Parts: sequence; C-alpha cells; structure tokens
Amino acid sequence: EPEVTQTPSHQVTQMGQEVILRCVPISNHLYFYWYRQILGQKVEFLVSFYNNEISEKSEIFDDQFSVERPDGSNFTLKIRSTKLEDSAMYFCASSEGVGSLLFYGYTFGSGTRLTVV
Amino acid sequence: GENVEQHPSTLSVQEGDSAVIKCTYSDSASNYFPWYKQELGKGPQLIIDIRSNVGEKKDQRIAVTLNKTAKHFSLHITETQPEDSAVYFCAAPVVGSQGNLIFGKGTKLSVKP
Repeated sequence: EPEVTQTPSHQVTQMGQEVILRCVPISNHLYFYWYRQILGQKVEFLVSFYNNEISEKSEIFDDQFSVERPDGSNFTLKIRSTKLEDSAMYFCASSEGVGSLLFYGYTFGSGTRLTVV
Repeated sequence: GENVEQHPSTLSVQEGDSAVIKCTYSDSASNYFPWYKQELGKGPQLIIDIRSNVGEKKDQRIAVTLNKTAKHFSLHITETQPEDSAVYFCAAPVVGSQGNLIFGKGTKLSVKP
C-alpha cells in the first residue's frame, strides 16, 4: 500500500535554530498538508499546498514557517527560528483530490517528533 | 467555521465488548466524516469514513453512523480486541477549503484482556 514517508523520525534542535522537516507524498497525490500535534493534544492544521503554492494556512503558520516542493517528490516544512513551543509531532499528509461533492481521504505519514531545547 | 467535539476523552472496555465514540460538528454543509486511529508514536490512520449521502457504513467490526439532522456521527467497534487500544480521532473538513480537516480532541480507548 502506498505510503507517505517522513524524515527524520525525531529531530532535536536548539532554540533559535532552523529545521527542515521532509516528506515524500504518495506519487499520484495532488494535495499536500502539514499538521502538528502537541503531546497529548489534538491534531491541528498548519498549511495546505496545491499546484506549487500554499492554498490555505492557519494562524499557527506564521512568518517563521514556510513550505516548499523543491522537486517532483519532496515536500518540506521549514521553521526558521525554532521556539520551545514548536516542540510537537509534525505530520505530513497527501490526498488524491478534493472537491465540493467528493472528498478523498488523506494518507498521513508517521510524523517527525521535533524537540526544541 | 467548523467545530468538532468528541466524547468521551477516555474509554475502557473489556475484550469482546462494544465501544462507541461520538462526535458532533457545527457546519451543516460538512459532507465527509473520517475516523482515524493513532497508535503510540505513529501517524493517524484512516479506518473508516462516511459521506453525507448515507446514514451508516460498516467494515467488519467497525461501523460509523451519521445523523445529519442532529449533526453528529459515531464510531462503533464491536467485539473489541486488545489491538484496538489506541487513540481515535474524528474529523470533518472545513467547508470550502482545500480539504483542511478539523479534528476532535481524541478518545483514548483501552481494551482490557
């Protein structure tokens, strides 16, 4: 079964450092997402990406965050200057399609645990 | 905007019993309702979903029911097994978005052997 692959599985970084979280979505999927989950809390939407540009972003996704699809397979989330409160699990997801009448479910990756110290 | 409430936050059942988790949503235009299972250290996995044109969907021991009038949907797991122990999340899409999901707060299900 096709998978969404995320690397690294765990990243420890010093406060103020930049981190890049990487994702390889399923190859025929067109919509890409980043979500985060602070320990013990619910999964929260960060950003959606389609046709090489951001479709929507949440309040969490401020100027410290950026996303990129540098080539045909990778999808990255960059946090420019990490803060302690950025510590969370970050999940990448991809979807085959989205429409007003039809919605194709996501496939999530296994996540990257980011720890900011 | 869409708001999703999920209950209970924890649920403990004996192996073989049934488990029911309930969610309510606020946007009557929502048309798709997935349930995700999250095991420790892993990403959410879609286990079942339902679209607004049906009232019930079943897949072996798992079923989801939808009441559009009351704006709630429920996950039913029958003949629970220890491997069903996990955190379960319901979700609903933000209507008009590019598929952004709003998740419930999750239910930690423990199945005791």
